[in-house]
Amino acid sequence: GAGVSQSPSNKVTEKGKDVELRCDPISGHTALYWYRQRLGQGLEFLIYFQGNSAPDKSGLPSDRFSAERTGESVSTLTIQRTQQEDSAVYLCASSPRTSYTGELFFGEGSRLTVL
Amino acid sequence: SQQGEEDPQALSIQEGENATMNCSYKTSINNLQWYRQNSGRGLVHLILIRSNEREKHSGRLRVTLDTSKKSSSLLITASRAADTASYFCATDVSKAAGNKLTFGGGTRVLVKP
Repeated sequence: GAGVSQSPSNKVTEKGKDVELRCDPISGHTALYWYRQRLGQGLEFLIYFQGNSAPDKSGLPSDRFSAERTGESVSTLTIQRTQQEDSAVYLCASSPRTSYTGELFFGEGSRLTVL
Repeated sequence: SQQGEEDPQALSIQEGENATMNCSYKTSINNLQWYRQNSGRGLVHLILIRSNEREKHSGRLRVTLDTSKKSSSLLITASRAADTASYFCATDVSKAAGNKLTFGGGTRVLVKP
């Protein structure tokens, strides 16, 4: 596709369940980012991939959060044993840049609601 | 605390007026970027200014950067109702461990027709 694609666009889950969020970056973009945005707030960095490796996982809030990327393409963010405070929009972005952080291309986000 | 902090948090203006918002940050940067987010949507890149640049223009947008004060401003001239959105500054503090943008809390702009 032409842009960054995220699925699902909306997810409602019960507390304690696991969820998987998917991101398809722009073809050829080597850098991929996950951010979290709580209602009315700014973006909180979660993790960054360069190719399939993750040089910076510093933003993952707890060991319930994990992410992987395969084939230098699709990435999955997994949240285990979801809690109500995990409710947010999870935004994925990709970039062709490697030597510095240039323009990020964002998807529309996955809105997660934990009941 | 956040690297970038926008000011004001919210701004309401009439169509045709100029909108100015500011961003302050704490550490040295490689570049600073501004993004726009319409309600319920993803972010869209507006402009990037490098640490060795002081001013940059793109259409009705003007961005300044003062590295001595660790601050930037975004000016939208002759605003339109379609400019209603949240605007975020983001700083690049890339280091050996990897690259990332750190975003501020945003300025919510309402342009009234």
